[in-house]
Amino acid sequence: KAGVTQTPRYLIKTRGQQVTLSCSPISGHRSVSWYQQTPGQGLQFLFEYFSETQRNKGNFPGRFSGRQFSNSRSEMNVSTLELGDSALYLCASSLVGTTDTQYFGPGTRLTVL
Amino acid sequence: DQQVKQNSPSLSVQEGRISILNCDYTNSMFDYFLWYKKYPAEGPTFLISISSIKDKNEDGRFTVFLNKSAKHLSLHIVPSQPGDSAVYSCAASASNYQLIWGAGTKLIIKP
Repeated sequence: KAGVTQTPRYLIKTRGQQVTLSCSPISGHRSVSWYQQTPGQGLQFLFEYFSETQRNKGNFPGRFSGRQFSNSRSEMNVSTLELGDSALYLCASSLVGTTDTQYFGPGTRLTVL
Repeated sequence: DQQVKQNSPSLSVQEGRISILNCDYTNSMFDYFLWYKKYPAEGPTFLISISSIKDKNEDGRFTVFLNKSAKHLSLHIVPSQPGDSAVYSCAASASNYQLIWGAGTKLIIKP
C-alpha cells in the first residue's frame, strides 16, 4: 500500500506570496490532517478534513485554508505569506480521525524569504 | 500554554541500556496518549498508545507508563538499539478531540 505523499517537498517563497501544498492520503483513508512544525515546537494542528468537510480547526489565522477533494486528496493554501510561516508542513491520513493511528507524509519544507 | 511538555530536548543512551523518555501534561481531561517517532526527512510514525483506563502498555521493546495523579507519561525502550535514534514525540487528546503534541525529545543511542 502506497504511503502518504506530499508535494512539493521543498518550496521557497517571498513575503506576500501565496502557496498551495498538496497531500495524497493512503488509499481508503478519509481523514486528512495538516500540521505545522517549527524548530523546538511540537506539531501544531492546522485542520482536519473528513469526506470533503473540515471537521476540526486549530488556532491559525484565516490566511491558512484547506480543502479536500472527493478522492480524499487534500490541499492546503497559505495566502499573504509571512516570514514566520517558514516551517515543515506535515500531512497525515487515517481511517477515521486524528486520534486514530495517523500515517504521516514526509512533509513540505516551506521557506519564506 | 503548553499542555503537553517534553522537558528534555535530547537524551543520550548507551546501546543495550534502557532509554526513558518523559512527557508531562496539564489537562486532566486527556484520556488518550500516543508516542510517535520521527527520523530525519521522514514524517512521524506511530509507536505505541495508552488510554487513561490503563497504567501500562507494552509492545515488544517499548513500554508506555501512565501516572494519572502525576500527569506524567513515560516511554521505556529496552534494550536500546542504534536504530532507535530518532525524535520521539508524545501526544494527548481528550475524548477524541484533536491531539496536542509535545515538542519532542531527540534520542541518541551510542554504540
